[in-house]
Amino acid sequence: GEDVEQSLFLSVREGDSSVINCTYTDSSSTYLYWYKQEPGAGLQLLTYIFSNMDMKQDQRLTVLLNKKDKHLSLRIADTQTGDSAIYFCAESINGNNAGNMLTFGGGTRLMVKP
Amino acid sequence: DTEVTQTPKHLVMGMTNKKSLKCEQHMGHRAMYWYKQKAKKPPELMFVYSYEKLSINESVPSRFSPECPNSSLLNLHLHALQPEDSALYLCASSTRGLNTEAFFGQGTRLTVV
Repeated sequence: GEDVEQSLFLSVREGDSSVINCTYTDSSSTYLYWYKQEPGAGLQLLTYIFSNMDMKQDQRLTVLLNKKDKHLSLRIADTQTGDSAIYFCAESINGNNAGNMLTFGGGTRLMVKP
Repeated sequence: DTEVTQTPKHLVMGMTNKKSLKCEQHMGHRAMYWYKQKAKKPPELMFVYSYEKLSINESVPSRFSPECPNSSLLNLHLHALQPEDSALYLCASSTRGLNTEAFFGQGTRLTVV
């Protein structure tokens, strides 16, 4: 079965880099995702990575994928107070091709101190 | 337009009430989803619709009844809910097939009293 795990909490100072880690178990996942959720809000897709890549950069965001170890990380450069939120990693469930069914990790709460 | 719109944003209902949650998207996506998110937990998949037909039901109790009247709309009908059903209900849409981007709405925060 699918299982996605994340650490619960991360605290950083404004301007520092943040690294949020995730491990997954389903080796058939071909895309892995990072979503951001602010308090009381829905999920915002931040970025995703295809499994034949090991790195993807998008402005302040860098995603690293180690497929051998099933480890995914999200690095946020120059972290700002507006980055404070819960970050979920997710993998696609290898279902019946009906759609993009996601299994989420437990979420990492990022707190950015001024 | 990459927006998924959910209404209402907040809903309080009694255990004997019947209510409906609504979700709308105009991105031409033919897969739509309902997720349930309890406090301090990740979202969990409830239902998947593909081409307006129910394709996945993750063993959801029958007091939740989904409906997809057309390719842009997805409803979730609620009847005889329990207080433990209180949660944030998220709608999402995507193109069909694995490994495509799923866009989420802002959710309906449901409280059952």
